[in-house]
Amino acid sequence: DGGITQSPKYLFRKEGQNVTLSCEQNLNHDAMYWYRQDPGQGLRLIYYSQIVNDFQKGDIAEGYSVSREKKESFPLTVTSAQKNPTAFYLCASSIQTGAYEQYFGPGTRLTVT
Amino acid sequence: GDSVTQMEGPVTLSEEACLTINCTYTATGYPSLFWYVQYPGEGLQLLLKATKADDKGSNKGFEATYRKETTSFHLEKGSVQVSDSAVYFCALITNAGNNRKLIWGLGTSLAVNP
Repeated sequence: DGGITQSPKYLFRKEGQNVTLSCEQNLNHDAMYWYRQDPGQGLRLIYYSQIVNDFQKGDIAEGYSVSREKKESFPLTVTSAQKNPTAFYLCASSIQTGAYEQYFGPGTRLTVT
Repeated sequence: GDSVTQMEGPVTLSEEACLTINCTYTATGYPSLFWYVQYPGEGLQLLLKATKADDKGSNKGFEATYRKETTSFHLEKGSVQVSDSAVYFCALITNAGNNRKLIWGLGTSLAVNP
């Protein structure tokens, strides 16, 4: 089955530690995205990538970093510089950027204490 | 800038009731419009979309019509089920300029009681 996988589903970290969230897709999509979801705030775009070895900042990139070394993979690192890292993180992909359906993974809930 | 405004939730209905979730937008150019649904504890999935004025998107009994004159894309269903309980997001993307990101509404939570 084609789709997007995110792991783990729940992640716990101590404040001051960097943490990397995994996102893998086997849909052969060029574009991939990372969103953050907080209660009452909808989805906010962190980073997106239109193609391998390219990525762009979204609306709330500060304190996050990404890489896109392979088409299938778009890991997100939440650094210690992110002030409020506890959130639900969603990865998505689409054939290209633009008016194409985005396919979402199941999400990772990160709790930092 | 481009924006999407959804009615605030939560919306609570009894099974078989009619549903309308309002969505209005502000956009440059000619946007494509989407409704996504998020079931509890899951990621989002596309429910329906419309790419030009007067288009009607439909799926799983849900419908929404792209109304350019009122800049609206309201989600409707004639008879809701308990399994429709979820959060619904309206979104748009414009074809103008280099900004090709989806613009999201804040989501509307729907609870359907048996």
